[in-house]
Amino acid sequence: AQKVTQAQTEISVVEKEDVTLDCVYETRDTTYYLFWYKQPPSGELVFLIRRNSFDEQNEISGRYSWNFQKSTSSFNFTITASQVVDSAVYFCALRTNTGFQKLVFGTGTRLLVSP
Amino acid sequence: GAVVSQHPSWVICKSGTSVKIECRSLDFQATTMFWYRQFPKQSLMLMATSNEGSKATYEQGVEKDKFLINHASLTLSTLTVTSAHPEDSSFYICSASRADLQEADTQYFGPGTRLTVL
Repeated sequence: AQKVTQAQTEISVVEKEDVTLDCVYETRDTTYYLFWYKQPPSGELVFLIRRNSFDEQNEISGRYSWNFQKSTSSFNFTITASQVVDSAVYFCALRTNTGFQKLVFGTGTRLLVSP
Repeated sequence: GAVVSQHPSWVICKSGTSVKIECRSLDFQATTMFWYRQFPKQSLMLMATSNEGSKATYEQGVEKDKFLINHASLTLSTLTVTSAHPEDSSFYICSASRADLQEADTQYFGPGTRLTVL
């Protein structure tokens, strides 16, 4: 069975603070894909990153960085120097080859960045 | 880009009426489209998966006669909520995955449709 756990329900930070959103996944498949999506108050899910199971290199995109560790089945997301516009719900998701393209979502982490 | 649109963005209807929601991939062809439902402050719940030209695959517990899905082309899928009732009020979101192999595993989401049934 596939499962994604985002243990942090809500995080509040002050602008310019760094914040890390945790994501732990479970799967028995050796080939899988991990995703992060951002859902701002408007409701639309915005694709942030895709990572396949064979690529453990960490990635940085501007203020965003992702740490993929297969040893701990984690795919954590860090926002550096957070801004008010980062306030949103962030979802981690898993797709496996045996899952018929279905995405298994975590429960999401609500990030509140105050000025 | 990979843009997915939904129409309407919100709709209010009377109990017993049917409502159709359209999902379009604007700048790519979508092999597969997905329909989700999201309740306030909750995660997305997959309702069904549809491939162009074939019947949709519904998740367990989702009534196929209640939520009719038609995937007429590689850029359009529709969800019709038949005989809507207040408990069908929710945020409905579609997504599409691209036909090209490089990104076939990435789903791009539409902006969602908020349905309110009175």
